[in-house]
Amino acid sequence: AQKITQTQPGMFVQEKEAVTLDCTYDTSDQSYGLFWYKQPSSGEMIFLIYQGSYDEQNATEGRYSLNFQKARKSANLVISASQLGDSAMYFCAMRGLQSNFGNEKLTFGTGTRLTIIP
Amino acid sequence: AAGVIQSPRHLIKEKRETATLKCYPIPRHDTVYWYQQGPGQDPQFLISFYEKMQSDKGSIPDRFSAQQFSDYHSELNMSSLELGDSALYFCASRHYPHSPPYYGYTFGSGTRLTVV
Repeated sequence: AQKITQTQPGMFVQEKEAVTLDCTYDTSDQSYGLFWYKQPSSGEMIFLIYQGSYDEQNATEGRYSLNFQKARKSANLVISASQLGDSAMYFCAMRGLQSNFGNEKLTFGTGTRLTIIP
Repeated sequence: AAGVIQSPRHLIKEKRETATLKCYPIPRHDTVYWYQQGPGQDPQFLISFYEKMQSDKGSIPDRFSAQQFSDYHSELNMSSLELGDSALYFCASRHYPHSPPYYGYTFGSGTRLTVV
């Protein structure tokens, strides 16, 4: 079974500051994928960034980077130079990468509500 | 670029009624996943289909059923609706084995179901 833990229910950050959203995971799979999604108040689920368990370098996508520490089983999202539009709910999610279809679904954490303060 | 289309966007039903939610995946995506997100909750996996066959099943009530059709669109049928079924229902699609560049899922905008 896979489990995602996000320990920060809510965060308030000043505009233009960097912010780190924590995510730890637990899995018995040898290979897996980690995702971050943004969910604004409108409700849609927006993909931000992906990290494969065998990727040697931390993933980056524009202002988003993923601080992947495999030994500690953590996959923290870092948002640089935060903007007011970053205010949203953020979910960390995981998927096993085995060929068994039973591992293909995403398992989500409970999310962190990020509020950017002007 | 084409996205995952879900219909309707909003749906209001009374208790004990039935509801049908539809999901149209991205063209050439052969796998569909359904998730339920209650108010203030994280998305919970309901069911998935690959090539029109059920591939996995999560915490889906017996009152719910789903299928994937020959054109790969999927429908989630919900009967004997309860107040607790009020939620945002997401559909996500992907192409198996993987869809580069991020090996991920594309989510629809969701259907917000309110049971009164």
